[in-house]
Amino acid sequence: TQLLEQSPQFLSIQEGENLTVYCNSSSVFSSLQWYRQEPGEGPVLLVTVVTGGEVKKLKRLTFQFGDARKDSSLHITAAQPGDTGLYLCAGARNSGNTPLVFGKGTRLSVIA
Amino acid sequence: EPEVTQTPSHQVTQMGQEVILRCVPISNHLYFYWYRQILGQKVEFLVSFYNNEISEKSEIFDDQFSVERPDGSNFTLKIRSTKLEDSAMYFCASSRQVNTEAFFGQGTRLTVV
Repeated sequence: TQLLEQSPQFLSIQEGENLTVYCNSSSVFSSLQWYRQEPGEGPVLLVTVVTGGEVKKLKRLTFQFGDARKDSSLHITAAQPGDTGLYLCAGARNSGNTPLVFGKGTRLSVIA
Repeated sequence: EPEVTQTPSHQVTQMGQEVILRCVPISNHLYFYWYRQILGQKVEFLVSFYNNEISEKSEIFDDQFSVERPDGSNFTLKIRSTKLEDSAMYFCASSRQVNTEAFFGQGTRLTVV
């Protein structure tokens, strides 16, 4: 069983601060997806990274896939209260119709 | 924008009863999934479905669970005899191809009493 470890588990910051959350594994993934989940709702896809070393930007969010495709990071610049939520990473393997493996998530709280 | 829809949003059932959770995946997607999330815990894979058959399932997906695509649009999860520990959010997801972006529904909150 491959595990995706996310850190930190909880993060509380002031509006305007920058932050980085991490997603690490000992396994190689063909792609890695980041989702945001609000209480009582389903995960909403933010981005998919596929190539080792790839960097994708979504407004104030920057996603990076590690060179070895085992880890990823999400950096948020000038966090806003609307960024509050549970950030989940999920990895897909190469072979067959294998399911996404989810990390436990980082719960972010941005205080105004 | 196309989305995955799930019904009902909430379901309360007595232990031992059967429940059917319904999902309408995105119309041009070929791969369908059920995941569950127990309150405060991680999203866990249950089963994947492609070409009208199960392609992979987890150890959680025992004989009490079954999935079906009864027509061209619906994808259902049946729990035959619910247990207290089946209480969770159940999410349906679909993707166009294997191992590409999966889009999730809003979930069904199942409470077994």
